[in-house]
Amino acid sequence: AAGVIQSPRHLIKEKRETATLKCYPIPRHDTVYWYQQGPGQDPQFLISFYEKMQSDKGSIPDRFSAQQFSDYHSELNMSSLELGDSALYFCASSRRTGGRSPLHFGNGTRLTVT
Amino acid sequence: GNSVTQMEGPVTLSEEAFLTINCTYTATGYPSLFWYVQYPGEGLQLLLKATKADDKGSNKGFEATYRKETTSFHLEKGSVQVSDSAVYFCAAITQGGSEKLVFGKGMKLTVNP
Repeated sequence: AAGVIQSPRHLIKEKRETATLKCYPIPRHDTVYWYQQGPGQDPQFLISFYEKMQSDKGSIPDRFSAQQFSDYHSELNMSSLELGDSALYFCASSRRTGGRSPLHFGNGTRLTVT
Repeated sequence: GNSVTQMEGPVTLSEEAFLTINCTYTATGYPSLFWYVQYPGEGLQLLLKATKADDKGSNKGFEATYRKETTSFHLEKGSVQVSDSAVYFCAAITQGGSEKLVFGKGMKLTVNP
């Protein structure tokens, strides 16, 4: 079965640079979520989109922005990167219309800021 | 908002030992409850779920029962294997409310042969 695809798997950036993470949800899933997981931490919710509109916002810094496109893929844009942004970034998708399906997570993008 | 509290570990068990990981939740309304597992270097995988009181989720020998009276969703396995070594997260999402999934702190399990 198709899963959530995230790219790239690994990304190394320097402080103050920008990064773009991409997420391709499971086909027919209409909701995308972004989570940040620091080393040894639980995943923290950043932001979610339903039918291309932002549906909820968590602890996402103002330096970050995200959007969901017409094909339902989503991108997380991160600017002015800081060392503390080094983490594993997960995207998850679900289908909300017609009854909620569980969230299915991608394998994540490991961002290292040096 | 929702919150989830779970045993944090780390926990080390011998193969074939019994496993229990406690999880309790606080939520407005009636949440759906999940256990996710994260193997080393991998993403989060849904292990099992329950959407209403008294539901029992099960998968790969793991079980958890949604207990509304104790607001709990404890994970159990009768006989763990080395391959069960991973981090286990309890999570909750509320029907009709905020759609974000809230995680517990996670518990790292190591199973030795």
